Amino acid sequence: EAGVTQFPSHSVIEKGLTVTLRCDPISGHDNLYWYRRVMGKEIKFLLHFVKESKQDESGMPNNRFLAERTGGTYSTLKVQPAELEDSGVYFCASSQSGGPSGDTQYFGPGTRLTVL
Amino acid sequence: GQNIDQPTEMTATEGAIVQINCTYQTSGFNGLFWYQQHAGEAPTFLSYNVLDGLEEKGRFSSFLSRSKGYSYLLLKELQMKDSASYLCAVIDSNYQLIWGAGTKLIIKP
Repeated sequence: EAGVTQFPSHSVIEKGLTVTLRCDPISGHDNLYWYRRVMGKEIKFLLHFVKESKQDESGMPNNRFLAERTGGTYSTLKVQPAELEDSGVYFCASSQSGGPSGDTQYFGPGTRLTVL
Repeated sequence: GQNIDQPTEMTATEGAIVQINCTYQTSGFNGLFWYQQHAGEAPTFLSYNVLDGLEEKGRFSSFLSRSKGYSYLLLKELQMKDSASYLCAVIDSNYQLIWGAGTKLIIKP
């Protein structure tokens, strides 16, 4: 069974431009999460999809970040325009159920974003 | 605020035993995860505790005390491949995963 995949693995862009990250969850997983780890800091929650709906987007830093999950399959995270402080590793995770059972979240390899 | 504390770095010898502690203060508690992360890779699941006590899984064990807001990950018979960061994460009352900064474990021959 394929795990969570993310694309691209690395992205280097200039400040002010747009970048789109993609995440393909494990097939059949309704829950999809985005996280970010800025250099030297802990992993921070960004948002949680249940199928195509945003269950919780309280971790999104500002309106330059837009996440979508059309059709409840893969998800994209767009940063527009990108700023220097957006640099970090963006992880995607998926799980079968997101309720109190604490279902395990399986992580993708991450996308390392560098904004210059 | 929500806070998860774990040591920044630990060093141990191959074949030995090491215990990595994690203390937490979160708004609600719905379980605690331990993840392992090798440099440049995604975190991988190690264990999940929601009830007090010890969960054993091969060379790895995880302990939880909810009254003390405390957990530890115990690694036995250390191998060089165990060199990695170990992340403690708590599910809060909103079912968000709150992460610690991770403990970098260095294994020496």
